[in-house]
Amino acid sequence: DGGITQSPKYLFRKEGQNVTLSCEQNLNHDAMYWYRQDPGQGLRLIYYSQIVNDFQKGDIAEGYSVSREKKESFPLTVTSAQKNPTAFYLCASSMRTGGPMNTEAFFGQGTRLTVV
Amino acid sequence: AQTVTQSQPEMSVQEAETVTLSCTYDTSESDYYLFWYKQPPSRQMILVIRQEAYKQQNATENRFSVNFQKAAKSFSLKISDSQLGDAAMYFCAYRRENNQGGKLIFGQGTELSVKP
Repeated sequence: DGGITQSPKYLFRKEGQNVTLSCEQNLNHDAMYWYRQDPGQGLRLIYYSQIVNDFQKGDIAEGYSVSREKKESFPLTVTSAQKNPTAFYLCASSMRTGGPMNTEAFFGQGTRLTVV
Repeated sequence: AQTVTQSQPEMSVQEAETVTLSCTYDTSESDYYLFWYKQPPSRQMILVIRQEAYKQQNATENRFSVNFQKAAKSFSLKISDSQLGDAAMYFCAYRRENNQGGKLIFGQGTELSVKP
């Protein structure tokens, strides 16, 4: 079955450590996104990528880094520079173009990151 | 920059009644798409309905319909015959459409509770 998979579901990080959240999709989508979800703040865009080897900063990119070496994969690294990383992280993918029926974004099940 | 605003952090509706969730957005683009996503307690994002900006006719999906007012930049969601399973967080989202694709921007969300 086609879909988008995030791992792990729960992640614990010690202060000062970098951690990487995985996002893989087999939907043949060009575009991939990373969002952070905090209570009362909705989904805030961290990074997005429209094609392989290219990505753009979203609204809250500071303290995060990404790579897009393969179409299927868009990992997010939460660095020690991110001062308040405890949050729920959602990855999504969509077609880049192609008309209204291709605009839907598909989401992974999320990763809950907790700093301990 | 495009923004999406949901001014109702929480809403409540009686089972079988109708409820309307509000959303406004700001953009200078003429071609774009608008969406309502549902996030139940499982936190899996589910597309409820989409609207193409070039269409004057309001989208409908079974018990869900929208009131799209392009000049006012308003995009409300009406849920008719509310069911207990409709209880969730609802997010309004915007996506620009062009040949280079576009980032998907979300509002802050409205938490809907359904009373039996």
